[in-house]
Amino acid sequence: EVQLVESGGGLVQPGGSLRLSCAASGFTFSSYWMSWVRQAPGKGLEWVANIKQDGSEKSYVDSVKGRFTISRDNAKNSLCLQMNSLRAEDTAVYYCARGGLGSTVTTRWGQGTLVTVSS
Amino acid sequence: EIVLTQSPGTLSLSPGERATLSCRASQSVSSSYLAWYQQKPGQAPRFLIYGASSRATGIPDRFSGSGSGTDFTLTISRLEPEDFAVYYCQQYGSSPQTFGQGTKVEIK
Repeated sequence: EVQLVESGGGLVQPGGSLRLSCAASGFTFSSYWMSWVRQAPGKGLEWVANIKQDGSEKSYVDSVKGRFTISRDNAKNSLCLQMNSLRAEDTAVYYCARGGLGSTVTTRWGQGTLVTVSS
Repeated sequence: EIVLTQSPGTLSLSPGERATLSCRASQSVSSSYLAWYQQKPGQAPRFLIYGASSRATGIPDRFSGSGSGTDFTLTISRLEPEDFAVYYCQQYGSSPQTFGQGTKVEIK
Protein backbone atom coordinates (compact mmCIF):
# COMPACT_ATOMS: atom_id res chain seq x y z
CA GLU A 1 0.00 0.00 0.00
CA VAL A 2 1.31 3.42 -0.98
CA GLN A 3 1.94 5.61 2.06
CA LEU A 4 3.18 9.19 2.28
CA VAL A 5 3.63 10.50 5.81
CA GLU A 6 4.54 14.14 6.36
CA SER A 7 6.16 15.56 9.47
CA GLY A 8 7.83 18.74 10.65
CA GLY A 9 4.94 21.18 10.59
CA GLY A 10 4.21 23.57 13.42
CA LEU A 11 4.13 27.17 14.54
CA VAL A 12 6.97 29.45 13.43
CA GLN A 13 7.51 33.20 13.57
CA PRO A 14 7.68 35.31 10.42
CA GLY A 15 11.20 35.18 9.02
CA GLY A 16 11.83 31.80 10.59
CA SER A 17 12.64 28.43 9.07
CA LEU A 18 11.08 25.00 9.05
CA ARG A 19 11.99 21.69 7.42
CA LEU A 20 9.23 19.36 6.28
CA SER A 21 9.87 15.68 5.69
CA CYS A 22 7.88 12.99 3.93
CA ALA A 23 8.46 9.28 4.49
CA ALA A 24 7.39 7.20 1.51
CA SER A 25 6.62 3.48 1.44
CA GLY A 26 4.76 0.90 -0.59
CA PHE A 27 6.32 1.82 -3.96
CA THR A 28 9.69 2.27 -5.66
CA PHE A 29 10.37 5.82 -4.52
CA SER A 30 13.25 6.42 -6.93
CA SER A 31 10.97 5.84 -9.95
CA TYR A 32 8.63 8.76 -9.37
CA TRP A 33 8.53 12.53 -9.56
CA MET A 34 7.63 13.96 -6.15
CA SER A 35 5.95 17.22 -5.25
CA TRP A 36 4.79 19.48 -2.46
CA VAL A 37 1.34 21.04 -2.73
CA ARG A 38 -0.15 23.38 -0.13
CA GLN A 39 -3.59 24.55 0.89
CA ALA A 40 -4.15 27.67 2.97
CA PRO A 41 -7.00 27.43 5.50
CA GLY A 42 -10.33 27.47 3.67
CA LYS A 43 -8.65 28.02 0.30
CA GLY A 44 -7.80 26.03 -2.79
CA LEU A 45 -4.77 23.95 -3.75
CA GLU A 46 -1.46 25.51 -4.73
CA TRP A 47 1.42 23.58 -6.31
CA VAL A 48 4.68 24.52 -4.57
CA ALA A 49 7.54 22.50 -6.05
CA ASN A 50 8.52 19.22 -7.65
CA ILE A 51 11.67 17.16 -8.14
CA LYS A 52 12.65 14.60 -10.74
CA GLN A 53 13.36 10.97 -9.90
CA ASP A 54 17.14 11.46 -9.62
CA GLY A 55 16.94 14.99 -8.22
CA SER A 56 18.45 16.51 -11.37
CA GLU A 57 15.47 18.77 -12.07
CA LYS A 58 13.58 20.95 -9.63
CA SER A 59 10.83 23.51 -10.20
CA TYR A 60 9.17 26.01 -7.89
CA VAL A 61 6.21 28.36 -7.89
CA ASP A 62 7.45 31.96 -8.12
CA SER A 63 6.24 32.91 -4.63
CA VAL A 64 8.69 30.50 -2.95
CA LYS A 65 11.69 30.73 -5.28
CA GLY A 66 14.84 31.58 -3.36
CA ARG A 67 13.19 30.73 -0.02
CA PHE A 68 12.18 27.06 -0.32
CA THR A 69 14.34 24.10 -1.40
CA ILE A 70 13.00 20.69 -2.34
CA SER A 71 15.26 17.66 -2.00
CA ARG A 72 15.06 13.89 -1.88
CA ASP A 73 17.05 10.94 -0.57
CA ASN A 74 16.28 7.86 -2.65
CA ALA A 75 18.27 5.61 -0.32
CA LYS A 76 15.99 6.62 2.56
CA ASN A 77 12.76 6.95 0.55
CA SER A 78 12.33 10.47 1.81
CA LEU A 79 11.35 13.88 0.45
CA CYS A 80 12.09 17.20 2.15
CA LEU A 81 11.11 20.81 1.86
CA GLN A 82 13.40 23.36 3.51
CA MET A 83 11.46 26.56 4.09
CA ASN A 84 13.32 29.76 4.97
CA SER A 85 12.22 33.39 5.40
CA LEU A 86 8.69 32.25 6.12
CA ARG A 87 5.80 34.67 5.73
CA ALA A 88 2.25 34.73 7.03
CA GLU A 89 1.03 33.83 3.56
CA ASP A 90 2.95 30.54 3.74
CA THR A 91 0.50 29.33 6.39
CA ALA A 92 -1.10 26.20 4.97
CA VAL A 93 -1.42 22.45 5.10
CA TYR A 94 1.51 21.07 3.11
CA TYR A 95 0.92 17.83 1.23
CA CYS A 96 3.61 15.48 0.06
CA ALA A 97 2.53 14.08 -3.31
CA ARG A 98 3.70 11.40 -5.71
CA GLY A 99 3.70 11.71 -9.47
CA GLY A 100 2.86 9.06 -12.01
CA LEU A 101 5.32 6.69 -13.67
CA GLY A 102 7.09 8.86 -16.21
CA SER A 103 4.70 11.72 -15.53
CA THR A 104 4.55 14.72 -13.24
CA VAL A 105 0.79 14.38 -12.65
CA THR A 106 0.03 14.00 -8.95
CA THR A 107 -1.48 10.58 -8.34
CA ARG A 108 -1.16 10.04 -4.59
CA TRP A 109 -1.24 12.39 -1.61
CA GLY A 110 -0.19 12.28 2.01
CA GLN A 111 -2.51 13.52 4.75
CA GLY A 112 -0.65 16.80 5.11
CA THR A 113 1.14 18.72 7.83
CA LEU A 114 0.05 22.16 9.05
CA VAL A 115 2.50 25.05 8.96
CA THR A 116 1.44 28.21 10.78
CA VAL A 117 3.50 31.37 10.41
CA SER A 118 2.54 33.86 13.08
CA SER A 119 4.05 36.01 15.79
CA GLU B 1 1.86 30.83 -15.86
CA ILE B 2 -1.33 29.16 -17.04
CA VAL B 3 -4.39 30.38 -15.13
CA LEU B 4 -7.24 27.89 -14.78
CA THR B 5 -10.76 29.22 -14.20
CA GLN B 6 -13.41 26.79 -12.98
CA SER B 7 -17.13 27.32 -13.27
CA PRO B 8 -19.53 27.39 -11.67
CA GLY B 9 -18.19 28.13 -8.20
CA THR B 10 -20.97 26.06 -6.65
CA LEU B 11 -23.28 23.50 -8.21
CA SER B 12 -26.43 22.55 -6.28
CA LEU B 13 -27.81 19.22 -7.44
CA SER B 14 -29.73 16.21 -6.16
CA PRO B 15 -28.47 12.62 -6.01
CA GLY B 16 -29.03 10.93 -9.36
CA GLU B 17 -28.61 14.14 -11.36
CA ARG B 18 -25.86 14.86 -13.86
CA ALA B 19 -23.05 17.26 -12.92
CA THR B 20 -21.06 19.19 -15.52
CA LEU B 21 -17.99 21.11 -14.31
CA SER B 22 -15.95 23.42 -16.51
CA CYS B 23 -12.26 24.31 -16.45
CA ARG B 24 -10.95 26.98 -18.82
CA ALA B 25 -7.24 27.70 -19.32
CA SER B 26 -5.69 31.09 -20.11
CA GLN B 27 -3.57 29.39 -22.80
CA SER B 28 -3.47 26.00 -24.45
CA VAL B 29 -2.63 23.12 -22.10
CA SER B 30 0.28 21.15 -23.51
CA SER B 31 -0.64 17.65 -24.73
CA SER B 32 -3.90 17.81 -22.77
CA TYR B 33 -1.95 17.45 -19.53
CA LEU B 34 -5.06 18.25 -17.50
CA ALA B 35 -6.07 16.40 -14.33
CA TRP B 36 -9.08 16.45 -12.01
CA TYR B 37 -9.19 15.85 -8.26
CA GLN B 38 -11.93 15.44 -5.67
CA GLN B 39 -11.54 16.74 -2.13
CA LYS B 40 -13.81 16.21 0.85
CA PRO B 41 -13.59 18.27 4.08
CA GLY B 42 -10.60 17.34 6.22
CA GLN B 43 -9.22 14.95 3.61
CA ALA B 44 -6.42 14.98 1.08
CA PRO B 45 -7.40 15.30 -2.57
CA ARG B 46 -8.21 12.17 -4.55
CA PHE B 47 -6.89 11.68 -8.08
CA LEU B 48 -9.70 11.18 -10.61
CA ILE B 49 -8.71 11.98 -14.20
CA TYR B 50 -5.45 12.51 -16.12
CA GLY B 51 -4.66 13.38 -19.73
CA ALA B 52 -8.01 15.22 -19.78
CA SER B 53 -10.03 12.04 -20.25
CA SER B 54 -8.36 8.97 -18.72
CA ARG B 55 -9.76 7.69 -15.44
CA ALA B 56 -7.34 6.86 -12.65
CA THR B 57 -7.27 3.35 -11.25
CA GLY B 58 -10.39 2.51 -9.24
CA ILE B 59 -12.40 5.56 -10.30
CA PRO B 60 -16.04 4.68 -11.16
CA ASP B 61 -17.09 5.11 -14.78
CA ARG B 62 -19.73 7.67 -13.83
CA PHE B 63 -16.77 10.11 -13.81
CA SER B 64 -15.61 11.21 -17.24
CA GLY B 65 -13.36 13.95 -18.54
CA SER B 66 -13.24 15.62 -21.91
CA GLY B 67 -11.77 18.59 -23.72
CA SER B 68 -8.56 19.87 -25.23
CA GLY B 69 -6.68 23.09 -25.80
CA THR B 70 -8.19 25.57 -23.36
CA ASP B 71 -11.60 24.06 -22.54
CA PHE B 72 -12.09 21.00 -20.35
CA THR B 73 -15.06 19.35 -18.67
CA LEU B 74 -15.58 16.88 -15.85
CA THR B 75 -18.92 15.09 -15.98
CA ILE B 76 -20.46 12.98 -13.24
CA SER B 77 -23.25 11.08 -14.97
CA ARG B 78 -25.38 10.26 -11.92
CA LEU B 79 -24.44 11.79 -8.60
CA GLU B 80 -24.01 9.40 -5.70
CA PRO B 81 -24.15 10.70 -2.08
CA GLU B 82 -20.36 10.28 -1.78
CA ASP B 83 -19.74 12.53 -4.81
CA PHE B 84 -20.68 15.75 -3.03
CA ALA B 85 -17.32 17.46 -2.61
CA VAL B 86 -15.02 20.10 -4.09
CA TYR B 87 -13.44 19.38 -7.46
CA TYR B 88 -10.21 20.90 -8.76
CA CYS B 89 -8.64 20.86 -12.21
CA GLN B 90 -4.86 21.06 -12.60
CA GLN B 91 -2.57 21.51 -15.56
CA TYR B 92 0.76 19.70 -15.37
CA GLY B 93 2.04 20.38 -18.87
CA SER B 94 4.05 23.47 -18.04
CA SER B 95 5.84 24.85 -15.01
CA PRO B 96 4.61 26.08 -12.67
CA GLN B 97 1.82 23.57 -12.45
CA THR B 98 -1.42 25.34 -11.56
CA PHE B 99 -4.81 24.48 -10.09
CA GLY B 100 -8.21 25.98 -10.68
CA GLN B 101 -9.97 27.57 -7.73
CA GLY B 102 -12.39 24.66 -7.36
CA THR B 103 -16.07 23.88 -7.89
CA LYS B 104 -18.16 22.80 -4.93
CA VAL B 105 -20.85 20.23 -5.70
CA GLU B 106 -23.43 20.45 -2.93
CA ILE B 107 -26.67 18.68 -2.18
CA LYS B 108 -29.72 20.62 -3.29
